[in-house]
Amino acid sequence: DVVMTQSPLSLPVTPGEPASISCRSSQSLLSSDGYNSLSWYLQKPGQSPHLLIYLGSNRASGVPDRFSGSGSGTDFTLKISRVEAEDVGVYYCMQGAQVPITFGHGTRLEIK
Amino acid sequence: EVQLVESGGGLVQPGGSLRLSCAASGFTFSTSWMTWVRQAPGKGLEWVANIVQDGSGKTYVDSVKGRFTISRDNAKNTLYLEMNSLRAEDTAVYYCARATNACFDYWGLGTLVTVSS
Repeated sequence: DVVMTQSPLSLPVTPGEPASISCRSSQSLLSSDGYNSLSWYLQKPGQSPHLLIYLGSNRASGVPDRFSGSGSGTDFTLKISRVEAEDVGVYYCMQGAQVPITFGHGTRLEIK
Repeated sequence: EVQLVESGGGLVQPGGSLRLSCAASGFTFSTSWMTWVRQAPGKGLEWVANIVQDGSGKTYVDSVKGRFTISRDNAKNTLYLEMNSLRAEDTAVYYCARATNACFDYWGLGTLVTVSS
């Protein structure tokens, strides 16, 4: 199984400051057609998860441009350019390259 | 507007069975891969099963193989998860989601399954 390792587990951030979350996979997520099967999700308190980034770096519909995804192969990063109070929650990375599909353990972003 | 509405959760005894349903609307269900993801209380997300558009292909996480069955009725725009031989460790909120581009782009609100005597 592909193991997804996220860091940090907890991320306290001052509003207006940037934030960065790392996700590493135990196997490459880069396909022969050049796409990385890595996506990012945010689960706000009491809500379902929702998609932020797909194929490594593509923002989902309606996602603010302060969110960006980067990386390739086994190393990926989610960046928030300026954190807002509404960004609080748990962030998960997920690999969709092979079954079983696996998630990272999550990074809890909190406001300082 | 895309909507996914799960139902069928509840309290069941160990060894019991439940069938979850997920009613889909706002997109072409019959051309979409679908998936179930679960989240145990206070824990992270765990993928459970996928099903292809016509139902001919299904994949499962090892921990539910032989006990859970994913299926769909494209005429009713509904996804199902038949769960048998339930265990305490199956206690979770179960979400259905649409799968596309190696991601899950729309999620339902979830339905809670509690396995306890």
